[in-house]
Amino acid sequence: EVQLVESGGGLVQPGRSLGLSCTGSGFTFGNYGVTWVRQAPGKGLEWVGFIRSKPSGGTTEYAASVKGRFTISRDDSKSIVYLQMNSLKTEDTAIYYCSRIGYCGGTGCSFDYWGQGTLVTVSS
Amino acid sequence: SYVLTQPPSVSVAPGQTARITCGGDNIGSKYVPWYQQKPGQAPVLVVSDDSDRPSGIPERFSGSNSGNTATLTINRVEAGDEADYYCQVWDSSSDHPVFGGGTKLTVL
Repeated sequence: EVQLVESGGGLVQPGRSLGLSCTGSGFTFGNYGVTWVRQAPGKGLEWVGFIRSKPSGGTTEYAASVKGRFTISRDDSKSIVYLQMNSLKTEDTAIYYCSRIGYCGGTGCSFDYWGQGTLVTVSS
Repeated sequence: SYVLTQPPSVSVAPGQTARITCGGDNIGSKYVPWYQQKPGQAPVLVVSDDSDRPSGIPERFSGSNSGNTATLTINRVEAGDEADYYCQVWDSSSDHPVFGGGTKLTVL
């Protein structure tokens, strides 16, 4: 059974840093890209960033709202993807989900399995 | 950047058909997956490509896509289908995914 589990959320002050982890199981982790999506309280889904699989280059992409502050990395030996969040702002408060990048058609990809999410609260 | 427009809410009686739209410039040329999110839960992929459904998703869920509108159709709606639904595409100009604003489906 494919599973993704996020961890590391919590309360952090504005300007500080926090790191999240996404641990996968039930599939060959290194063969898949992983994306992070967040959801502010009462709001919709917002894409944060993704990391491609190493066979696809292992490169990363970020939303404009987090570029330069957030960094995604992966350790395939541990089946973990990390989201390092620096210079946090109150508007970064959200549930953070990781998801596996599944099927990719000619013009895009879907996210086929999701973790349960971890809450990050940025507040003084 | 590419913008996806969804109606904030759709209401339907049990047993009827719900249609949730997702508007975007020439979206008919794009791959459009749909996600269901029930309160307090993570999103779930319900339609991968037009009528391609992941394992475990009922045949009542299907997608279509043409011109400037993609549509998620739910036949024989049940109370358990009440949820928020999101469309998503890949913006080719930025190589970034984009989500629609979401539609709250209410089963009357």
